[in-house]
Parts: sequence; structure tokens; C-alpha cells
Amino acid sequence: DTAVSQTPKYLVTQMGNDKSIKCEQNLGHDTMYWYKQDSKKFLKIMFSYNNKELIINETVPNRFSPKSPDKAHLNLHINSLELGDSAVYFCASSRTNQETQYFGPGTRLLVL
Amino acid sequence: GESVGLHLPTLSVQEGDNSIINCAYSNSASDYFIWYKQESGKGPQFIIDIRSNMDKRQGQRVTVLLNKTVKHLSLQIAATQPGDSAVYFCADQSTSYGKLTFGQGTILTVHP
Repeated sequence: DTAVSQTPKYLVTQMGNDKSIKCEQNLGHDTMYWYKQDSKKFLKIMFSYNNKELIINETVPNRFSPKSPDKAHLNLHINSLELGDSAVYFCASSRTNQETQYFGPGTRLLVL
Repeated sequence: GESVGLHLPTLSVQEGDNSIINCAYSNSASDYFIWYKQESGKGPQFIIDIRSNMDKRQGQRVTVLLNKTVKHLSLQIAATQPGDSAVYFCADQSTSYGKLTFGQGTILTVHP
């Protein structure tokens, strides 16, 4: 029944590693997003895809590469992880890019 | 505890009281506003929204007020319950690409 799901829920890794976070939505939405929430709870958009096409890329380092294999999935690959990448990453989706966004449960990334 | 070092605005109320959470936004062109609730360890959850052609919208126990003149948004929660304890975020959504810009969040604590 989960509308927007993310895996893994927790991710602990060493600096310099490459990791991926996966997101799936079963709502039939056209638009998907990645947000980053820092230790001060500040939420900021990273990327948005509409019908598998990138429409928002918010000055995120190019170590971060989103990939949308189909409308229901938006994965986030991170190369050469850095300490500052430690955060909670949230996926969201909306029916169109003008409508309400619904969030997944988050992936807690800790880079050591 | 979780709130250490966060420096978010906080609101403490007694169960049964009414709560008012305030938010200021900066983009005069914003025309869609949303309130999200984030419980500990979870993703933001949609509460209520309002478009700029309205100044008030009511839901179940929640009311959102929009004052476009001073770019101010508020969330009123009636008969606040312990389950309402969470961080509350206001957000405005871009008309063009659906980019959500979040406010800093307010921690609401409801005491039984």
C-alpha cells in the first residue's frame, strides 16, 4: 500500500564510495523529485523529473546523478561520497508538476 | 534529544488548546502554498494547501490563512492533540516547474 517507497532506509558508508538510493511510486504520478534534509531539518530540492525527463537540477554537484528508468522510478546515484553528503534524502512524487507532492519515508545516509 | 542544536522555532501547547504556526514567504509570484507535518523519523506529510486566489481554507481541525499583502501564511490547529506533535513546514510551489521551497520549520510539542 506504500505510495512512495525508498530503499534503503539507512545507509552507512565510507568516504569515497559510490552508492545508490532507489525510489518507487505506485500512484501513477508523472513527476518525481529528490530532496535533501540537513541536520538542521532544512529541506531543499535537488532534482525533478517529469515523464522521465529532467526538469529541475538545483546546483547539485555532478557527483549526484539521478536516473529515471520509467515514470514510476527515480533513483539517485552518488559518486565519491563526502562527509557533507550525510543527510536524509527524500523522494517525492506528484500527479503533475503543478500539484501536491507526496513524500517517501526518507533514506538516512551517513558518510564516515 | 533530537531538537538539540536545531534552533527551529518551537511552540509548546497543552492538549486541547488551539495552535497557530506562522510562516513568511518571499516570492511574490508564488501562487500555491502547502503545509506539511513531519513526525520523527518520517517523511513530510501533506496537511492542507491553499492557492493564491483564496485567503482561507479549512480542513478537519486545521485552517490555513493566507495574507498575500504581507506574504504571510498561518496554520491553525484546533483542539491540539499529542499526536499533532511534529515539525511543521510551510512551502510554496513554483508555477513553472513545481519546485517546492520550504520554510525553516516549527517544532510543535503538545503536552497531555
